[in-house]
Amino acid sequence: DGGITQSPKYLFRKEGQNVTLSCEQNLNHDAMYWYRQDPGQGLRLIYYSQIVNDFQKGDIAEGYSVSREKKESFPLTVTSAQKNPTAFYLCASTNTDYEQYFGPGTRLTVT
Amino acid sequence: EDQVTQSPEALRLQEGESSSLNCSYTVSGLRGLFWYRQDPGKGPEFLFTLYSAGEEKEKERLKATLTKKESFLHITAPKPEDSATYLCAVGDSNYQLIWGAGTKLIIKP
Repeated sequence: DGGITQSPKYLFRKEGQNVTLSCEQNLNHDAMYWYRQDPGQGLRLIYYSQIVNDFQKGDIAEGYSVSREKKESFPLTVTSAQKNPTAFYLCASTNTDYEQYFGPGTRLTVT
Repeated sequence: EDQVTQSPEALRLQEGESSSLNCSYTVSGLRGLFWYRQDPGKGPEFLFTLYSAGEEKEKERLKATLTKKESFLHITAPKPEDSATYLCAVGDSNYQLIWGAGTKLIIKP
């Protein structure tokens, strides 16, 4: 079955530590996205990549970094510079009709 | 400024009580309006794409419609398993999605 996997499902970190969230897709989609979801708010775009070895900042990129070395993989690093990192993080990829398909999400808690 | 507003924020219905959710938008160069369903603690699940005013799409008890300024998600005779948050997004001229905050739907048996 094709789809998007994110790991881990839950992640706990101490303040000041960097943490990397995994996202893998086997849908053969070119474009991939990272969103952050906070209670009562719409999804906010962190980074997106339309092709391997290329990515662009979204609306809230500060304190985050990404890489796109393979078509299937788009990991997100939450750095210590991110002021409020506790959130639900969603990875998505897009088909040729621009429909986005999501992974199950990673809930990050930083204390 | 491109914007998507969903209403109401929350909606409680009895099982079998039909209703509609609203998604109003302002965007320069609409590249599709997308509806998703999201269960607690999970990623959004794609439901529909609408591209032009007058277009309608149906899936089981759900029907989505589109005008030039808004979209409605009609739910007919809902069941408790239809309880979820329903998200609306519009594609802008750069094919990026702008998201609404969602409507939390609760269907009571």
